[in-house]
Amino acid sequence: EADIYQTPRYLVIGTGKKITLECSQTMGHDKMYWYQQDPGMELHLIHYSYGVNSTEKGDLSSESTVSRIRTEHFPLTLESARPSHTSQYLCASSEWGLGRSNTEAFFGQGTRLTVV
Amino acid sequence: GNSVTQMEGPVTLSEEAFLTINCTYTATGYPSLFWYVQYPGEGLQLLLKATKADDKGSNKGFEATYRKETTSFHLEKGSVQVSDSAVYFCALSGGGSNYKLTFGKGTLLTVNP
Repeated sequence: EADIYQTPRYLVIGTGKKITLECSQTMGHDKMYWYQQDPGMELHLIHYSYGVNSTEKGDLSSESTVSRIRTEHFPLTLESARPSHTSQYLCASSEWGLGRSNTEAFFGQGTRLTVV
Repeated sequence: GNSVTQMEGPVTLSEEAFLTINCTYTATGYPSLFWYVQYPGEGLQLLLKATKADDKGSNKGFEATYRKETTSFHLEKGSVQVSDSAVYFCALSGGGSNYKLTFGKGTLLTVNP
């Protein structure tokens, strides 16, 4: 079983609040990712990191920001939540970069965010 | 660039029916191919994978064979159960991508008793 954890599992919050979604992994993986899953189930990469102090934006533009100060920790922050941020957010990690074949990603259980 | 096309859902089957979910891909080089499953309210779990042509991945009664000649990785199960109800994603890594898994759009499977 993968050792990657996301908290909280569910979050309902008011517009304008600052929120941080936590993601931690105990596998020692350098590569970590955040995906946003829309109601139609499609997955969009919004951030990734190849190691400490490395962060990059993914394919889908997002108002969220991320940081990577420790290998095991990759939190996502929204400075001012809006209803359009309502979504499921999935964190993942991999031992190698996903551009390399035979590399699989391990996913957390997700955070379902609702902004009212 | 890379892309994955999988069968549109939703798919509804009766228990013990045969399941096929089609998946085809476009990629350069030699990608690895995956099926991930997402149960209601959960994250994604790796179901099976194949890393080279003609490899067969299998797990929990599910199988998929990496067919390079048809660029396909169809998911099959001989007899589905109610507990198989979930969303299934076909995905690839490598194949020229630097940093991400390329996912299909997902197929929702519902199995009725």
